[in-house]
Amino acid sequence: QQKVQQSPESLIVPEGGMASLNCTSSDRNVDYFWWYRQHSGKSPKMLMSIFSNGEKEEGRFTVHLNKASLHTSLHIRDSQPSDSALYLCAASISNTDKVVFGTGTRLQVSP
Amino acid sequence: EAAVTQSPRNKVAVTGGKVTLSCNQTNNHNNMYWYRQDTGHGLRLIHYSYGAGSTEKGDIPDGYKASRPSQENFSLILELATPSQTSVYFCASGDRLGGGEQYFGPGTRLTVL
Repeated sequence: QQKVQQSPESLIVPEGGMASLNCTSSDRNVDYFWWYRQHSGKSPKMLMSIFSNGEKEEGRFTVHLNKASLHTSLHIRDSQPSDSALYLCAASISNTDKVVFGTGTRLQVSP
Repeated sequence: EAAVTQSPRNKVAVTGGKVTLSCNQTNNHNNMYWYRQDTGHGLRLIHYSYGAGSTEKGDIPDGYKASRPSQENFSLILELATPSQTSVYFCASGDRLGGGEQYFGPGTRLTVL
């Protein structure tokens, strides 16, 4: 069964600092990666997606993907206390049945 | 914006009782999903559906049934609830298998005593 591994489990960064989160899939057929953010007591919301090798930037958020190693990373620069949340990585194979989620990285941004 | 609602938002049930969790989406998405979220396990897929009348088993279907009577509605049924089913349950909808963004409902907190 496909697994999605995330690291670290938890992370504390100072306000204004850089947060780096990692995610790797065990299934070589995976071709889509997703990052969801879940604030405490709320539901997950899609933050960014990446399907091609390389980098994608949206504001303070940058996602990298290396399809050869099935590794994606999310980087948050100038971290804000409002970025404190659980970050879930998900992987899927196009035109198949489902998306597999990792267990998440809990990010805390300290003021 | 995509809208997925769930009811009830909180539920306390007794062991052996029947529990039905309901989900409604107004996005006209074909696909709907039921997940449970427990600390240390992330989101785990229970059942999903491609459209009205279809239900498929996810990764942890044992002890759960699902029903999709219409495009908008997807229910999760626990025929004989057990304390191990205490969890937060999320419903989601999406418009493409695997390769599409999923929109989540607010969640249902279920406690089985």
